[in-house]
Amino acid sequence: SQQGEEDPQALSIQEGENATMNCSYKTSINNLQWYRQNSGRGLVHLILIRSNEREKHSGRLRVTLDTSKKSSSLLITASRAADTASYFCATLDSNYQLIWGAGTKLIIKP
Amino acid sequence: ETGVTQSPTHLIKTRGQQVTLRCSSQSGHNTVSWYQQALGQGPQFIFQYYREEENGRGNFPPRFSGLQFPNYSSELNVNALELDDSALYLCASSSGQGRSYYNEQFFGPGTRLTVL
Repeated sequence: SQQGEEDPQALSIQEGENATMNCSYKTSINNLQWYRQNSGRGLVHLILIRSNEREKHSGRLRVTLDTSKKSSSLLITASRAADTASYFCATLDSNYQLIWGAGTKLIIKP
Repeated sequence: ETGVTQSPTHLIKTRGQQVTLRCSSQSGHNTVSWYQQALGQGPQFIFQYYREEENGRGNFPPRFSGLQFPNYSSELNVNALELDDSALYLCASSSGQGRSYYNEQFFGPGTRLTVL
């Protein structure tokens, strides 16, 4: 089963623009994590935001969390070609297992 | 610091065969999780090992089994392979008390399994 659902499924923007991806989930969470995956290979951890946090920054990344709406967003500012990848959110289910969405495929056009 | 490594990179098997995939954890990590990722989908949790014991399992049949060794490396075994087992298999390690969700996970590059 998939707990998180990313939106949009695909996003294509010009280099330098900002990219926003959203994640919705179904049950209460301990934390929510965002990962990046290049070309169907291993995933790279980007940010972990805990349920008592509302916003977190890391370099060009900004993550927000709204537990009342069960949603999170990932903003990438000043996008670069190297940001082209799939982005996944992952949350805990009631069995304490990380459950992943199907991801947002981001394409940065030069 | 050595990252998470997986072997082999690619593997082709036929239906009904058995396969063993291997994972070496990042130095200092005592928890290993395995995921199956079908093409175009997010990872699906298979199981997690903490200090050589299974510490959580997803919705996968018993023909998916695993081991964790004293050096925290791990194996994923799949018996009686089916066509739907074709996927990218990812291993991730983390530190902590077996609750990987409290900490970030470090992923290996994956093993792409094709079942014919």
